[in-house]
Amino acid sequence: LAKTTQPVSMDSYEGQEVNITCSHNNIATNDYITWYQQFPSQGPRFIIQGYKTKVTNEVASLFIPADRKSSTLSLPRVSLSDTAVYYCLVGSGYSTLTFGKGTMLLVSP
Amino acid sequence: DTGVSQDPRHKITKRGQNVTFRCDPISEHNRLYWYRQTLGQGPEFLTYFQNEAQLEKSRLLSNRFSAERPKGSFSTLEIQRTEQGDSAMYLCASSLQRDSPYEQYFGPGTRLTVT
Repeated sequence: LAKTTQPVSMDSYEGQEVNITCSHNNIATNDYITWYQQFPSQGPRFIIQGYKTKVTNEVASLFIPADRKSSTLSLPRVSLSDTAVYYCLVGSGYSTLTFGKGTMLLVSP
Repeated sequence: DTGVSQDPRHKITKRGQNVTFRCDPISEHNRLYWYRQTLGQGPEFLTYFQNEAQLEKSRLLSNRFSAERPKGSFSTLEIQRTEQGDSAMYLCASSLQRDSPYEQYFGPGTRLTVT
């Protein structure tokens, strides 16, 4: 499985756009990029998944450059409730998820 | 909305005791997973079922751990002779086989404290 590297923590203010970048230099051709969000004392929640270019849903956007060696999760106009840990995962053909330590996003008023 | 449910939400036990956790997946989901999460770490995979068949087990799943999924519905995770190192959040997730295996739906977890 491709190893991922993401910042340990990020700070933001309400109303700002937050971009969390994940590096995955060893991504394989068949790998997808998936992001999860986890609030304290809750299980992770699937946010978005993509293979290339850009994917957008009601929660976030995922930008993937042509070389696919990195990806950026974009959260528009964050609120206090977006304070959580965000995990970037890369893989395919596996039914098991391999989580790293994630990025702790703190949104302040 | 009947998401993944887990019972109990919290369990405190003394070292050496056996504990059992239950997970009820989303009703139409045929895949079920167990993970363990300790403070400051991401969830770690323990085991995976497709219907009633246990298809994969992590090396983290020592012989004190056993999981079952009778009739491919709910699942139980039992830990025998608990140790303090077993203290963690135990998470269950489920997914549909036809969907991406990476799109899993997690329950709220069972927090185990071994004293």
